[in-house]
Amino acid sequence: DAMVIQNPRYQVTQFGKPVTLSCSQTLNHNVMYWYQQKSSQAPKLLFHYYDKDFNNEADTPDNFQSRRPNTSFCFLDIRSPGLGDAAMYLCATSRDRTGGVSGYTFGSGTRLTVV
Amino acid sequence: GEDVEQSLFLSVREGDSSVINCTYTDSSSTYLYWYKQEPGAGLQLLTYIFSNMDMKQDQRLTVLLNKKDKHLSLRIADTQTGDSAIYFCADSSGGYNKLIFGAGTRLAVHP
Repeated sequence: DAMVIQNPRYQVTQFGKPVTLSCSQTLNHNVMYWYQQKSSQAPKLLFHYYDKDFNNEADTPDNFQSRRPNTSFCFLDIRSPGLGDAAMYLCATSRDRTGGVSGYTFGSGTRLTVV
Repeated sequence: GEDVEQSLFLSVREGDSSVINCTYTDSSSTYLYWYKQEPGAGLQLLTYIFSNMDMKQDQRLTVLLNKKDKHLSLRIADTQTGDSAIYFCADSSGGYNKLIFGAGTRLAVHP
């Protein structure tokens, strides 16, 4: 089945130690998104790639970076995780920016714990 | 900026109907969506409605859209324990058409 896969499902990292979260897709969608979801809150868009074009949200901290080496993969790098970065990180894809009738397809998420 | 608001909690008895409400601010939305999130999982698209529609029915799900009041609702008929989850309303705003989510409504279904 075509899908969005996030690895790992759970990640524990030390305060200040760089960490990378991974997302891959078999849908051949043009757009890939990273959302941060803290407990009992709405998912918040961090950035997205439209093909190779990177689009950062204005309020995304510099501590968060992303890479998309090819259509299938997208990575979220947190350079110096703080306790406030503990959250569920959701990767999503869409065929184009309109979302359309399919909306976005989400992965299962990576829950990040910072110790 | 764009904003989406939902009530945070709803409790219903098994077999009853559930109605989850949402309000949004961006009148340029083309599509509005309902997503379901089960514990520890990602978001699963339940249904959508195109902005020129008032109602959409999909098996047990009915979506109502009141564009004048910018109000969206999701009705689940014959609610089952498997429907217990968090339900997110999402609005596709103009420009990049990124999804703006509400904080989610936690639906609890009890016997």
